[in-house]
Amino acid sequence: GQNIDQPTEMTATEGAIVQINCTYQTSGFNGLFWYQQHAGEAPTFLSYNVLDGLEEKGRFSSFLSRSKGYSYLLLKELQMKDSASYLCAVRSSYGNTPLVFGKGTRLSVIA
Amino acid sequence: DVKVTQSSRYLVKRTGEKVFLECVQDMDHENMFWYRQDPGLGLRLIYFSYDVKMKEKGDIPEGYSVSREKKERFSLILESASTNQTSMYLCASSLVSSGNTIYFGEGSWLTVV
Repeated sequence: GQNIDQPTEMTATEGAIVQINCTYQTSGFNGLFWYQQHAGEAPTFLSYNVLDGLEEKGRFSSFLSRSKGYSYLLLKELQMKDSASYLCAVRSSYGNTPLVFGKGTRLSVIA
Repeated sequence: DVKVTQSSRYLVKRTGEKVFLECVQDMDHENMFWYRQDPGLGLRLIYFSYDVKMKEKGDIPEGYSVSREKKERFSLILESASTNQTSMYLCASSLVSSGNTIYFGEGSWLTVV
């Protein structure tokens, strides 16, 4: 089966750094994605990891360890607009295999 | 920019009605998907299609069907709507290559009364 776990909710302070963890157990692995979803809106793509290590993109970074089935999304210099749900998704095989999503982590950024 | 357009943002339908949710993408993507999203359950895949006239069941296909007559259009059909199908429905599309992300439409909020 496929299982993707991430915390349900997190709260962090404006200007701080927050790390959102994701662990996965899937039948195979061919990439991990992070999406951001503001309330009432569609998810938007943030990052993609297929090899171990850190991918940095501005204030957002994503890390992957395939041997541990683990990823995290790191958000630096938090802003109020970063309050959203963050979805971890895994593609378990090549080609047309759909993404399997975790249930999402709702992040609240407070002043 | 990739554009995935869902024809209806908000719908209210009666139990037993036939419901059509339409989705169009403008980037010549091979793959198209229908997900539903519910509080506490996350995104769950209903059906997907990797080519015209091709369809594959996702995790929760019961009570739904789909149609893909043209590459750019993927329709979700609820043959006889029920209250437990009240949800947010998200259409998405992607290229075939594994590294390609999927792009979502804005979502359709369906309420069945």
